[in-house]
Amino acid sequence: QVQLQESGPGLVKPSQTLSLTCTVSGGSISSGGYYWSWIRQHPGKGLEWIGYIYYSGSTYYNPSLKSRVTISVDTSKNQFSLKLSSVTAADTAVYYCARVVTVPSEALMYFDLWGRGTLVTVSS
Amino acid sequence: QSVLTQPPSASGTPGQRVTISCSGSSSNIGSNTVNWYQQLPGTAPKLLIYSNNQRPSGVPDRFSGSKSGTSASLAISGLQSEDEADYYCAAWDDSLNGPDVVFGGGTKLTVL
Repeated sequence: QVQLQESGPGLVKPSQTLSLTCTVSGGSISSGGYYWSWIRQHPGKGLEWIGYIYYSGSTYYNPSLKSRVTISVDTSKNQFSLKLSSVTAADTAVYYCARVVTVPSEALMYFDLWGRGTLVTVSS
Repeated sequence: QSVLTQPPSASGTPGQRVTISCSGSSSNIGSNTVNWYQQLPGTAPKLLIYSNNQRPSGVPDRFSGSKSGTSASLAISGLQSEDEADYYCAAWDDSLNGPDVVFGGGTKLTVL
């Protein structure tokens, strides 16, 4: 079955760029039909959508993070990535990657598969 | 401050029925379907309900969802100790820049 796994540095210095990768196994990102998303959860807090990408490269971002976020896809490696620039301590969170089912004609969207998450701490 | 409003906590005793509410507006719940996620302690969220009231394969029928207007509810019947978790609602929000994804702040369910 399809599985997602986040990877990347667990510690990032303030003002630097946070970079994470999500590797998809058991299925192809290029097969279509799904978007691929990043979601984060601040310690002890709720979930915050960061953005998502289609295999073709189409992206949608959370307006509150849009100026600092880039999500990209590498179909040859079956991976998609997150870059968040100019990080501060407020970006310390567990970052999850997830697969998104969307059917716009039915106003339908949901995250059906999630990675285990990776904690990223922003500190000098 | 989350776009969707959930009570921060809920509780019940084993066997009881518990409901968790999720309140939104015409741009999100009022015009899009609602999903619910269960997050057990120390784990990633898991899809519990999609399209307002549909259960993915493997989710017990003790869990049910409903939607009316700009509000949605998650009901758990026959409450069990393993249901103790955080529950989140989510939906698209039809903003000017295209559909954004919005979450509720989460409800911590305690089984007494």
